[in-house]
Amino acid sequence: EAGVTQFPSHSVIEKGQTVTLRCDPISGHDNLYWYRRVMGKEIKFLLHFVKESKQDESGMPNNRFLAERTGGTYSTLKVQPAELEDSGVYFCASSQDRIGELFFGEGSRLTVL
Amino acid sequence: KQEVTQIPAALSVPEGENLVLNCSFTDSAIYNLQWFRQDPGKGLTSLLLIQSSQREQTSGRLNASLDNSSGRSTLYIAASQPGDSATYLCAVASNTGKLIFGQGTTLQVKP
Repeated sequence: EAGVTQFPSHSVIEKGQTVTLRCDPISGHDNLYWYRRVMGKEIKFLLHFVKESKQDESGMPNNRFLAERTGGTYSTLKVQPAELEDSGVYFCASSQDRIGELFFGEGSRLTVL
Repeated sequence: KQEVTQIPAALSVPEGENLVLNCSFTDSAIYNLQWFRQDPGKGLTSLLLIQSSQREQTSGRLNASLDNSSGRSTLYIAASQPGDSATYLCAVASNTGKLIFGQGTTLQVKP
């Protein structure tokens, strides 16, 4: 069974540009989460989808971040326009149950210059 | 506001030693607590999940305990091996499934 896959694994962009990160959860997992780790800080929650619906987006930093999960399958996280402080590793995770074991992807490293 | 703290931040031990990693949290109203392992450049691998009503969970050489009343968890690693070298993360889950992470403990086991 394939795990959670994320791409790109690493993206380097300039300030002001746009980047879109993609996450493919484990097949059949209705719950999909985005987390982020910026340099020197702990991993922080961004948002939670159940199927295609946003259940909790309290961790989204600001309106430059837009997450979608059309059809309840894969999800995208778009940052537009990117700022220097957006640099970090963006993790996606999925689970079958709302409060169960989470399976994480390897992360997408974003570097904003 | 829930805060999770992990001590120590880094640990270096010789192979074969038993060791304990500590995790504390400020709000005891958790649903479960999870320990993860992260290798450099990789994602997080779930090691153990303890429900709030449980006291401990074991998997191989790993044992995690949970004391909800004092807001503490420990991860015990027996007979450490160089392959155990990684960053260990503790995270507490609310009833929405959202995880609050500690900053992690980076472990190095020397051959």
